[in-house]
Amino acid sequence: SQQGEEDPQALSIQEGENATMNCSYKTSINNLQWYRQNSGRGLVHLILIRSNEREKHSGRLRVTLDTSKKSSSLLITASRAADTASYFCATDEETGAQKLVFGQGTRLTINP
Amino acid sequence: KAGVTQTPRYLIKTRGQQVTLSCSPISGHRSVSWYQQTPGQGLQFLFEYFSETQRNKGNFPGRFSGRQFSNSRSEMNVSTLELGDSALYLCASSLGGGSGDSYEQYFGPGTRLTVT
Repeated sequence: SQQGEEDPQALSIQEGENATMNCSYKTSINNLQWYRQNSGRGLVHLILIRSNEREKHSGRLRVTLDTSKKSSSLLITASRAADTASYFCATDEETGAQKLVFGQGTRLTINP
Repeated sequence: KAGVTQTPRYLIKTRGQQVTLSCSPISGHRSVSWYQQTPGQGLQFLFEYFSETQRNKGNFPGRFSGRQFSNSRSEMNVSTLELGDSALYLCASSLGGGSGDSYEQYFGPGTRLTVT
């Protein structure tokens, strides 16, 4: 079963613009992770944010977490064509369980 | 370090057959998890192994099973294949220690299984 929903389901922007994707989840979590997937290939880990953190940065990526609203957002700044992919959030509900529950994903298309 | 590898990359089977998929984790990683990805259900957790023991299991029928070897390599087996088992099967490895922390999972490229 899916933990929550991602919004929007699809996003199309021009190269150079910023892209924001949102993720909502249902239960209490220990951490939330964002992954990227290109065309049905394996997932690439982007960022892990723990439940006691509110914001995290990695290069052009910025992730926020609001546990009171059970939501997270992923911001990609200065988008590039290579950022075209599907982005998934995944939650880890049990510490140490290594059992991720994924959202449905956002399909991001960067137009040159 | 080499990444997570999965073999085979593509597989075509017929209904009723069984299949075994293999996953080699990143060196030093002791936890291996398996996920099924389909267009309809998305990414779903199958099971996780740590130090040769199944630690967690998802909501899949008993036809889906797995194991982990002493070198942390893992296999999953699906018996009596059904058309609905057609999917991308992803394996992920992590340090995955005991309770008290959470770890990034690193995914392999997946095995695309088609059941006809």
